[in-house]
Amino acid sequence: QQPVQSPQAVILREGEDAVINCSSSKALYSVHWYRQKHGEAPVFLMILLKGGEQKGHEKISASFNEKKQQSSLYLTASQLSYSGTYFCGTGGEGSQGNLIFGKGTKLSVKP
Amino acid sequence: GAGVSQSPSNKVTEKGKDVELRCDPISGHTALYWYRQRLGQGLEFLIYFQGNSAPDKSGLPSDRFSAERTGESVSTLTIQRTQQEDSAVYLCASSGGQNTGELFFGEGSRLTVL
Repeated sequence: QQPVQSPQAVILREGEDAVINCSSSKALYSVHWYRQKHGEAPVFLMILLKGGEQKGHEKISASFNEKKQQSSLYLTASQLSYSGTYFCGTGGEGSQGNLIFGKGTKLSVKP
Repeated sequence: GAGVSQSPSNKVTEKGKDVELRCDPISGHTALYWYRQRLGQGLEFLIYFQGNSAPDKSGLPSDRFSAERTGESVSTLTIQRTQQEDSAVYLCASSGGQNTGELFFGEGSRLTVL
């Protein structure tokens, strides 16, 4: 039930773009994206809901393909501050939906 | 408080002892989650509370782990007879509703079992 993230790690130069993917074997109701810097708590980036609603920061973009049970996070013109580990979390339908996170994608942005 | 508060921030214990970790969610948040994060690893779901509904305990790794929550306030995670493999950071998060809301994480409780 744990979503699968790819790639596991990516190294970028400042200004380059990256895409992080998240796929699930079960039907998705919501996909959450969080970033965690070393030694800190995860911080919210975006939520994508079944039906197309999105909530998140303006500078972050993501897609949610309900049929394929996949989501992708798009990081454009990367900055040094984008470095960290990105986690996607998936929620099932219903009020008892817990949130299961993938293993994470480690992003390193170099000057 | 302004954010999710967890205590203790750091706990060192001997193998076999019991430990209790506490989480104070943001006031008014009905949903509360516990996750375990081993060094360099991902977020491992443990348990989820939503309002007055029965908690989802499907992530608890063994019967040594238990958690309680009083209404929509404080939660405690108890680990009995701790083992070295229990060493990890235990993160608590709360949100205002179901799984459609932003999760606010606490700073975590780092547990070291010697």
